Amino acid sequence: GQNIDQPTEMTATEGAIVQINCTYQTSGFNGLFWYQQHAGEAPTFLSYNVLDGLEEKGRFSSFLSRSKGYSYLLLKELQMKDSASYLCAVKRGGGNKLTFGTGTQLKVEL
Amino acid sequence: GAGVSQSPSNKVTEKGKDVELRCDPISGHTALYWYRQSLGQGLEFLIYFQGNSAPDKSGLPSDRFSAERTGESVSTLTIQRTQQEDSAVYLCASSLGHIWAQTQGAGELFFGEGSRLTVL
Repeated sequence: GQNIDQPTEMTATEGAIVQINCTYQTSGFNGLFWYQQHAGEAPTFLSYNVLDGLEEKGRFSSFLSRSKGYSYLLLKELQMKDSASYLCAVKRGGGNKLTFGTGTQLKVEL
Repeated sequence: GAGVSQSPSNKVTEKGKDVELRCDPISGHTALYWYRQSLGQGLEFLIYFQGNSAPDKSGLPSDRFSAERTGESVSTLTIQRTQQEDSAVYLCASSLGHIWAQTQGAGELFFGEGSRLTVL
């Protein structure tokens, strides 16, 4: 089976940096995804890690440690529009099926 | 179309009725997925299609749920004799097939806006 854990809620201040953690336990690990989902909207792809290390894409970065079963999503220079749910998802084996965590609801305040 | 399209966007039905939810994937995407999301919950996998075949239907919660895909395109998720616990947002996603995913990058899933089902 698979177990994916991430905090339920986080609050941060506009302009600040926030780190959202995700831990997972799975066999046949083949990649970790982060998605952003605004209320009432479709999840949209943010980042993908399959090798250990940091992937940077503008204000968003994602880190993976396969040996620790750990990833984080780092958001810099927070904006109000970053208030959303952030979903960690793990790919297992050769297919594209993703197993999602329950998501972290981020609230950005002034 | 440019993105994944789902219909209806909202469906209210009475307990015991059957419902059909439709998904039009991105053109050329051979893989198609159905997930559902209940209030405050994560995305729960239901079924995965590669072409018109469903190699993984392990997430279907009961035999009241079924899905089909035709022409390697449109998919329909059918829920028979709906129950109140079936109320959720049903999300469809598509992606390039697994062979492409291995050679072209992440093979990320592209989601539709979902069909919100309310069973009274």
